[in-house]
Formats: sequence, structure tokens, C-alpha cells
Amino acid sequence: EVQLVESGGGLVQPGGSLRLSCAASGFTFSTYGMHWVRQAPGKGLEWVSSISGSGDTTYSADSAKGRFTISRDNSKDTVYLRMYSLRAEDTALYYCARDSLSGSVGYAFDIWGQGTMVTVSS
Amino acid sequence: EIVLTQSPATLSLSPGERATLSCRASQSISSYLAWYQQIPGQAPRLLIYDSSNRATGIPARFSGSGSGTDFTLTISTLEPEDFAVYYCQQRSSWPLTFGQGTKVEIK
Repeated sequence: EVQLVESGGGLVQPGGSLRLSCAASGFTFSTYGMHWVRQAPGKGLEWVSSISGSGDTTYSADSAKGRFTISRDNSKDTVYLRMYSLRAEDTALYYCARDSLSGSVGYAFDIWGQGTMVTVSS
Repeated sequence: EIVLTQSPATLSLSPGERATLSCRASQSISSYLAWYQQIPGQAPRLLIYDSSNRATGIPARFSGSGSGTDFTLTISTLEPEDFAVYYCQQRSSWPLTFGQGTKVEIK
């Protein structure tokens, strides 16, 4: 079964940092681009960051640039989102998603995890 | 950044009726548009990619059309499980962007 399982969320103080993980299974991880998408409570979807299958190309939203870093370990079938200098407005459910086309990054998101909640509050 | 504007914000319909959802892009995105369904408490699900292609396992009552700046998602006959929030998303250029969503609710 194709599956994505996120972890690493929690409560963090403003200015703090957190590392999210997304463990993949059921497909050839290294051939797919991967993404992080977030959803603030009661709000819509916001794309955060993407990484190619090899890991050599990354993209980030302006809201994430300079504060969030996406990376992957293909030996562990895992993608990460390292978040620094967190703000209250980063509070959201963070989803990991797979690109829908093998060998691509930025096509569509066909497999989603259940998300991990990040709460930034003092 | 390409802005996607969805309308209406809320659509109130009864099961068995036809639903027509709109997504307008701030500039041409060719056919590079996807649609997602999100049921409360669940992760989004890919319905349509590249404007009109149904994703794997998506029922035929869901169809997409459009190109350039104007796109439509049609649900031909609403089933009880179709009442949800629908988002469009463009892949024409970075940053990838989503519309704000259309809620399809039971009338």
C-alpha cells in the first residue's frame, strides 16, 4: 500500500525550531518529487516546499524562504522539513504529499499523509 | 505569483443535483490545473489533473474542463459523499498556488 506518515509536530514557542519527517512506503521513493503543504485551522491549503526525487532541486514559498529547509534521505525513504524562527502564523496542519508523476516535481499531489500539527505559541 | 479565484465560496445543493465549480487564474496557465476534494477531518484527495484528466479511482461523475484562465469542475449527480470542500491548484509556475476553496453543502 502506498502510504505517507508524518511526524514531528508539536507545540513550540515563537522563535523556536522543529523538524518534521514524512516516511514513505509502497513505492520507489527516490523517483518521486515530494512536497509539504500546510493548512491553518479553518483555512485553505498553502503550498510550502518541494524537492525533486534526487534531492538536488528544491522550491519554497516566500513564507518559507530563509526559515524552512526541505531535504530527503532516499536511503530511508523519508522527506524532512526543518523549520526555524517559527511564528504564530506558521501554526497549521502540515501535510506531506507525493508528486503524481514519477520523475517530476510540481505536477500534482496524488498521495497525501494525514498531517502533523504544528502549534506556535508561548 | 499566480492567483486562483474560486467561485462561488459556497454552493448549496441537494443530492442528485449537478454541481458546477469555477476556478479563474490571474494569468494563463494553459491546462496546468488540478482539483482536489477535502472532506472535513481528512487529507485532500486528487480528483483531476491537467484540467480534464481524472485521477486513479475517481468516479466518472467528476469532470474538469477549461484552459487558459477559466476552469470548471463539474459533478454530474451529487452523491452524499461529495459534500466537501474543493480546491483548485496550478502547476504552471512556481510558487505552486491553490484557490481558496468552494464548499459544497447540503441544501
